[in-house]
Amino acid sequence: GAGVSQSPRYKVAKRGQDVALRCDPISGHVSLFWYQQALGQGPEFLTYFQNEAQLDKSGLPSDRFFAERPEGSVSTLKIQRTQQEDSAVYLCASSSLRGTTEAFFGQGTRLTVV
Amino acid sequence: AQSVSQHNHHVILSEAASLELGCNYSYGGTVNLFWYVQYPGQHLQLLLKYFSGDPLVKGIKGFEAEFIKSKFSFNLRKPSVQWSDTAEYFCAGTGFQKLVFGTGTRLLVSP
Repeated sequence: GAGVSQSPRYKVAKRGQDVALRCDPISGHVSLFWYQQALGQGPEFLTYFQNEAQLDKSGLPSDRFFAERPEGSVSTLKIQRTQQEDSAVYLCASSSLRGTTEAFFGQGTRLTVV
Repeated sequence: AQSVSQHNHHVILSEAASLELGCNYSYGGTVNLFWYVQYPGQHLQLLLKYFSGDPLVKGIKGFEAEFIKSKFSFNLRKPSVQWSDTAEYFCAGTGFQKLVFGTGTRLLVSP
């Protein structure tokens, strides 16, 4: 597609439920990033992929968070045993070059944990 | 660690007023700086970027920003705002790979 696509756009999960958030980057983009944006805050870095390699996962808040990009294209962010503090918008971005010379963002997935 | 700070959290202006949003960064090495805008219900869009060269950078929709290394600042400016500029503005920076965002500034332009 023309831009970064994320699905679902909205997700309501019961506390303790596992969720999976999908990101389709712009075709051919090498770099892929996940960010978490809490209400009233700027996006916080979660993790970074260069092709299929996860080069930086320092921002993942706990071992309940897991991201993968097995074929270097589509990426999935998985959150296990969701908690209320996981409620946020999860943003995906991709870049054609290594690193973040210019990143294009998707519209995000708004996760609400009840 | 690299950080980006935005001092104005909420700004309210009338149409045709001039705009300046503050952004400061802390990073000792080579830094790339960005301003992103998020219109209501839409995704983050790049307004402008600075990598090197001329410290005065011009972006889309009449926005510009000036990189002042001595002040560690990258303030966003627009001489005359429009109602359609109502949005949230994020300053961001990266030294390597990781794009770090400020907390954002909500701009409301009244007609």
